[in-house]
Amino acid sequence: GDSVTQMEGPVTLSEEAFLTINCTYTATGYPSLFWYVQYPGEGLQLLLKATKADDKGSNKGFEATYRKETTSFHLEKGSVQVSDSAVYFCALGHSGYSTLTFGKGTMLLVSP
Amino acid sequence: NAGVMQNPRHLVRRRGQEARLRCSPMKGHSHVYWYRQLPEEGLKFMVYLQKENIIDESGMPKERFSAEFPKEGPSILRIQQVVRGDSAAYFCASSPPSEGYEQYFGPGTRLTVT
Repeated sequence: GDSVTQMEGPVTLSEEAFLTINCTYTATGYPSLFWYVQYPGEGLQLLLKATKADDKGSNKGFEATYRKETTSFHLEKGSVQVSDSAVYFCALGHSGYSTLTFGKGTMLLVSP
Repeated sequence: NAGVMQNPRHLVRRRGQEARLRCSPMKGHSHVYWYRQLPEEGLKFMVYLQKENIIDESGMPKERFSAEFPKEGPSILRIQQVVRGDSAAYFCASSPPSEGYEQYFGPGTRLTVT
């Protein structure tokens, strides 16, 4: 079955540092890939997505590229802010079948 | 356009009681999904519903849990005779019919069983 593996957290960074959160997946076919963000006490918000190989999703300074050859979808941001502190979830889904498979989440803590 | 709404946001139940969690999807969305998030875990799929139909309940525990999405009104996730292990955050998501895998999540209901 499908699975998503994320790097364990917490990831602790200083403001303006470069961020990478690794995500790899195992799936049949050609899934779509997503990053969701969960701020404390809130639900998940879709951060960005990519629907086919080599697509780059981007939003709010975050970006991730769908790499089929390495089955990866790493999240990056050039300069993090304190307000980016949250838990980030990598997920995959298949068109025509609506269950999403999530990774365990990676907590990001950004200090001033 | 209001997002996915869930209520209550927090629910405390004693062991053996029933918990009812409600979810109203985004306007125009006819597909609803329920997920459970245990402490320090990712989200686990429970059930996928369309109006008046359960499409996939492969993630739902076989006993005590049930879900419905009636023609009118919100979707309901019902947990009977709750136990401490049911304590978790329960998230509802909705999607339009055309893009089922692009899901929008509600704020969740945090269930605590004492």
